Amino acid sequence: NAGVTQTPKFRILKIGQSMTLQCTQDMNHNYMYWYRQDPGMGLKLIYYSVGAGITDKGEVPNGYNVSRSTTEDFPLRLELAAPSQTSVYFCASSYSRGDEQYFGPGTRLTVT
Amino acid sequence: AQTVTQSQPEMSVQEAETVTLSCTYDTSENNYYLFWYKQPPSRQMILVIRQEAYKQQNATENRFSVNFQKAAKSFSLKISDSQLGDTAMYFCAFMKPFWGNTPLVFGKGTRLSVIA
Repeated sequence: NAGVTQTPKFRILKIGQSMTLQCTQDMNHNYMYWYRQDPGMGLKLIYYSVGAGITDKGEVPNGYNVSRSTTEDFPLRLELAAPSQTSVYFCASSYSRGDEQYFGPGTRLTVT
Repeated sequence: AQTVTQSQPEMSVQEAETVTLSCTYDTSENNYYLFWYKQPPSRQMILVIRQEAYKQQNATENRFSVNFQKAAKSFSLKISDSQLGDTAMYFCAFMKPFWGNTPLVFGKGTRLSVIA
């Protein structure tokens, strides 16, 4: 049972480039989330989804987009990368609201 | 908006001793969830313990227990018989019972070092 997987693990982008962070879970969870963790800080919610086809903004959505076409996958798209998006990105999933969230291993992204 | 405050940026404890990490939060909600997550150097976020606000009994998980004081909006984590593997960042988190745009709010974390 793989849980939550994220790719890539590391990435360096130039300013203005775009990329997609992949997230897949195999636990049949309806709820999925994207967080970013800046140095010395806790996690901040970017976007979340309560099921396939349903997404909503979190606390810091600007500069990002998501889609949820299947239960398993929840990709995060960065358009026109900026240095302020340098961070570690975590994907998570949960069975239902209030339950434990299972986290992926994270993606370290640097924008230079 | 809900906020979560962890007032101890860093703590250390001797192996086998007990340590308590503090967390306070601000909310007008009556029902909610509270969590402690552990983030070791591997960066993986791991759930330590979960508390539902409507439950009076403090949650426990082996060597980990909480002191949940709802009126004081306090949710401290006690680690007994500390082990070297407990060395990690610990994050307190709050979740509202209904979806808004911040379903899970994290504190800034406490870095715990367990010393042999």
